Amino acid sequence: EPEVTQTPSHQVTQMGQEVILRCVPISNHLYFYWYRQILGQKVEFLVSFYNNEISEKSEIFDDQFSVERPDGSNFTLKIRSTKLEDSAMYFCASSGLGRGGYNEQFFGPGTRLTVL
Amino acid sequence: DQQVKQNSPSLSVQEGRISILNCDYTNSMFDYFLWYKKYPAEGPTFLISISSIKDKNEDGRFTVFLNKSAKHLSLHIVPSQPGDSAVYFCAASSNSGYALNFGKGTSLLVTP
Repeated sequence: EPEVTQTPSHQVTQMGQEVILRCVPISNHLYFYWYRQILGQKVEFLVSFYNNEISEKSEIFDDQFSVERPDGSNFTLKIRSTKLEDSAMYFCASSGLGRGGYNEQFFGPGTRLTVL
Repeated sequence: DQQVKQNSPSLSVQEGRISILNCDYTNSMFDYFLWYKKYPAEGPTFLISISSIKDKNEDGRFTVFLNKSAKHLSLHIVPSQPGDSAVYFCAASSNSGYALNFGKGTSLLVTP
C-alpha cells in the first residue's frame, strides 16, 4: 500500500540554525500538508500546498517557515532560524481524490525535531 | 481555541466488547469528519470518515455516527481487539479550507 515517507526520523539542531524536513507524499496525490505536534498537545495544522503554491496556512506558519516542492516527488518544510519552541513532531500528509472523501489526509511517520 | 473536543483522555474496554469514543465540535462550518488512530512513534493512520450529509458510515468493525444538531460524533468499535489499543483522534474540516482540526485524542486500552 502506498505511504507517505519522511526523513530524517529525528533531527537535533542548535537554536538559530536552519533545518529542512523532507517528505515524499503518495505519488498520485495532489495536496500536501505539514502539521506539528508539540509533546502533550494536539496535532496542529501548519500549511497546505497545491499546484506549487500555498493554499492555506495557519498563524503558526510565520516568516520563519517555508515549503517547497523542489522536484516531482519531494515536499520540504524549512525553518530558517529555529527556536526552542519549534521542538515538536512534524508530520507531512498528502491527499488525493480517492476513497470518496475530498480531504482524507494520509500521514507520514513524522520527524522529531529537537532544538537545543 | 478548541474547536474539536475529545473530553475523555482515556478509555479501557474488555476484548470483545464495544468501544465508544466521543467527539464534540463547535464550528458549524465543519462538514467533514475523520477518525485517526495513532500508535507511539508513528504518524496518525486514517480509519474512517463521514460527510455532513450522512449520519452514519460503517467500515468493518468501525462505525462513525454523526449528530449534526448536537455537533457530536462518535466512533464505535465492535468487537474491540487488543490491537485496537492506541490513541484515537477526531478531526474535522470545512469546505472553505483543507486544514484538519484535531481533538486532543482518547487513549484506548483493550484488555484481554
